[in-house]
Amino acid sequence: DADVTQTPRNRITKTGKRIMLECSQTKGHDRMYWYRQDPGLGLRLIYYSFDVKDINKGEISDGYSVSRQAQAKFSLSLESAIPNQTALYFCATSDATGTSGRGTQYFGPGTRLLVL
Amino acid sequence: ILNVEQSPQSLHVQEGDSTNFTCSFPSSNFYALHWYRWETAKSPEALFVMTLNGDEKKKGRISATLNTKEGYSYLYIKGSQPEDSATYLCALHGSSNTGKLIFGQGTTLQVKP
Repeated sequence: DADVTQTPRNRITKTGKRIMLECSQTKGHDRMYWYRQDPGLGLRLIYYSFDVKDINKGEISDGYSVSRQAQAKFSLSLESAIPNQTALYFCATSDATGTSGRGTQYFGPGTRLLVL
Repeated sequence: ILNVEQSPQSLHVQEGDSTNFTCSFPSSNFYALHWYRWETAKSPEALFVMTLNGDEKKKGRISATLNTKEGYSYLYIKGSQPEDSATYLCALHGSSNTGKLIFGQGTTLQVKP
C-alpha cells in the first residue's frame, strides 16, 4: 500500500464549485505539504503544516484553504473553483523535524483537477 | 523571493550517452539542496539531499555535486538508459524559508534507444 495517498485521482468540476482534495499518510510524519504543478513552472507550494495545530501559507495560497484533521490527514479545499486552478496537485510529507531542511519529501500520486 | 533555475529545460540523448544538467540558486541563502526524479504518471521520488559545499552523492549511474559558494549543483547520468527518461527536479531549502522547499522548473530528459 502507498504511504501517501490522495483522493480523488482525477476530478472535473465547474467554475464556482467547492471541492476538497484529500491526503492521507501512514509514514507517521508531522510535516505535510500541498503543491500544484503547472507545465513549465515546477512545483509551487500552496500550504504546509508542521503539526496538527500548525498551518502556514505557501507561495500561492490565494483561493485555497486547508485543514489538518489529524497527523495523518491534510485536506486542500478550493472554496470557489476557477479555471486557472486547473493543475496537477501533489500532497507530500517530510521526515524533517525542527528547522532541519535535510528531510526528504515523499509525494502522493497526484490529483489531476480540471475546472471548466 | 528565492529563485531556483534549472537548465536545460529539456534534453534528448541517445542510449549510452552521458549527460548532465544544472540547478542554480542564490548562494547567499542556502541550507540544503534536494534532487528529485519524476517519471510520467508517477510521484516525484527523492534522489539526493545535499548540504555541504563540495558534497558529492551517487546512486548507481546518477551522481550530483554541490557548490554552495557559487550557487549551483550538477546532476550527472552516466551511460543513459531509456528508463532514465524523466523530469529531474531540484529544490532549495533556503535559510530564509524554514521547513519548505522552492522547486526549480525541472529538466526533462528523454533517452532514445
